[in-house]
Amino acid sequence: DAKTTQPPSMDCAEGRAANLPCNHSTISGNEYVYWYRQIHSQGPQYIIHGLKNNETNEMASLIITEDRKSSTLILPHATLRDTAVYYCIVRVGYGGATNKLIFGTGTLLAVQP
Amino acid sequence: DGGITQSPKYLFRKEGQNVTLSCEQNLNHDAMYWYRQDPGQGLRLIYYSQIVNDFQKGDIAEGYSVSREKKESFPLTVTSAQKNPTAFYLCASSIDRTVSNEKLFFGSGTQLSVL
Repeated sequence: DAKTTQPPSMDCAEGRAANLPCNHSTISGNEYVYWYRQIHSQGPQYIIHGLKNNETNEMASLIITEDRKSSTLILPHATLRDTAVYYCIVRVGYGGATNKLIFGTGTLLAVQP
Repeated sequence: DGGITQSPKYLFRKEGQNVTLSCEQNLNHDAMYWYRQDPGQGLRLIYYSQIVNDFQKGDIAEGYSVSREKKESFPLTVTSAQKNPTAFYLCASSIDRTVSNEKLFFGSGTQLSVL
């Protein structure tokens, strides 16, 4: 199973871009990179996912390196409400019984006023 | 609104007691999951179900049991055999077990504590 490595915590000034890194050097060719976030005492919320191309949606952008060994989640204009734990996950398996996501400890992003 | 509903929000268990956590979804999703989260830790998979009347053990299934009699419902029972049940329990669902890039939708969680 591919594992991910994230810094335990990061700070970001309100209104600035937040760039959250993730290493996944053992990722295999058919594994997607997912990002979720969890605000305190709530369930995780899906943000974005990608395979090898960069992706953008209304919440964030995902930049995946060409060798796919690392990625960066970008919140373009962080607000106080973006303070949360951000999980980078490499999807395990493909369909069937291994169709599950494994969550690590994530990065606590603290947006400062 | 469509979504996943977990109840209760807070639950207390006495020594030797079984308790059941409810999880209901109206998203018409095939797959449902139960995770456990301890303070400062990531999520660990307890059980998952890909289809009605079928479920599989996750990484930490000992001391827990589930049922999947209806597509909408996936209750989790924390039995007296679970010696350290205090944790935040999260239920999730996803559209289709055969989809390669499905995403999980989570409920708001149940905090279980031992009296």
